Amino acid sequence: DQQVKQNSPSLSVQEGRISILNCDYTNSMFDYFLWYKKYPAEGPTFLISISSIKDKNEDGRFTVFLNKSAKHLSLHIVPSQPGDSAVYFCAASANFGNEKLTFGTGTRLTIIP
Amino acid sequence: GAGVSQSPRYKVAKRGQDVALRCDPISGHVSLFWYQQALGQGPEFLTYFQNEAQLDKSGLPSDRFFAERPEGSVSTLKIQRTQQEDSAVYLCASSLSPPGDYEQYFGPGTRLTVT
Repeated sequence: DQQVKQNSPSLSVQEGRISILNCDYTNSMFDYFLWYKKYPAEGPTFLISISSIKDKNEDGRFTVFLNKSAKHLSLHIVPSQPGDSAVYFCAASANFGNEKLTFGTGTRLTIIP
Repeated sequence: GAGVSQSPRYKVAKRGQDVALRCDPISGHVSLFWYQQALGQGPEFLTYFQNEAQLDKSGLPSDRFFAERPEGSVSTLKIQRTQQEDSAVYLCASSLSPPGDYEQYFGPGTRLTVT
């Protein structure tokens, strides 16, 4: 069963606009969530994380929101830039990150110049 | 830079051959993870080390898969008698243990193709 779901396989956004990537999870033991960005032929690169004691974390152009009651998180990128075009993976962990990560299937984001 | 490195980057094996994949974690990182990523999927957990101790190997798909980290630094993932379904990208990640960073930092992966 897919414990972390990214229901949008792809997303296209105009340069300068906001990109919103969504992720849902089912396992209530998850208490730490991360977003990774992946370019072809490279490993995933850590972007931003959030623990379950928060509902928002911001780092520059990237903000992650966590809605625990809905078991939903989202990544906002604003403004979107061409270099943001990549596959984005949502990941979750129990024990505040000191355990294995469970990944979603990814969303391919394309920024249109 | 002192990121996670993996070798080889690409490996082609004939079905039935044994392969060994190497991971050099970030210096000082206590935790080391192996993941398998099939085409079009997210990475899936294989096994986890804290120093030289293998604390979780629940994700290893069969007893043909074996991992070790004898001195608590470099790790090797070995696959015996490779099968076509083993074709995937194998990713290694390392992290500090709490207290400290919880983020896992990934290497570039080894793409294994079994023919």
